[in-house]
Amino acid sequence: KAGVTQTPRYLIKTRGQQVTLSCSPISGHRSVSWYQQTPGQGLQFLFEYFSETQRNKGNFPGRFSGRQFSNSRSEMNVSTLELGDSALYLCASSPGLAGETQYFGPGTRLLVL
Amino acid sequence: GIQVEQSPPDLILQEGANSTLRCNFSDSVNNLQWFHQNPWGQLINLFYIPSGTKQNGRLSATTVATERYSLLYISSSQTTDSGVYFCAVGYNNNDMRFGAGTRLTVKP
Repeated sequence: KAGVTQTPRYLIKTRGQQVTLSCSPISGHRSVSWYQQTPGQGLQFLFEYFSETQRNKGNFPGRFSGRQFSNSRSEMNVSTLELGDSALYLCASSPGLAGETQYFGPGTRLLVL
Repeated sequence: GIQVEQSPPDLILQEGANSTLRCNFSDSVNNLQWFHQNPWGQLINLFYIPSGTKQNGRLSATTVATERYSLLYISSSQTTDSGVYFCAVGYNNNDMRFGAGTRLTVKP
């Protein structure tokens, strides 16, 4: 089976712009979670989608949003980018039940100038 | 909010040594996970362990929820074990909180 893929792998944007990141889960997985990793704040949970519905959400402002499509692919969007949004964005997929192993993609590294 | 503390922050071992990593949390949690991030940034889920003990090869983990801590044991460490180990807890509204990690370096 192919692993979790994320596109693009690297991205440079300027303040005020918006960005959309994509995550394709492992075939058959219905849950996709998103995480942000920065040197200052460490790893933080953004949100989780299961069967096209947001199931859990972390403590992030409304500028961060996401969605999941019927094929389980997920996108996350960040509007009005700030310098502090520069980070590694990771997505992970799992079959969807609690306690099941999450499989992570390689991440998208976003730099906001 | 809930606090998650990992210790030690850094650990250097010789290949073949054993180690214990600790994760303390300040409140009741719904679940707890251990992750490994290798030096290239790839994150791997090691254990989902809200309570009890699990083993996977040279790694095992124990969570004592009533005392609010979890331990990750690495036996016969190898250079490929190097990287950062994170614990993460799920609580209340299903938010997740990560610890700051333990950076492990295994020397040949």
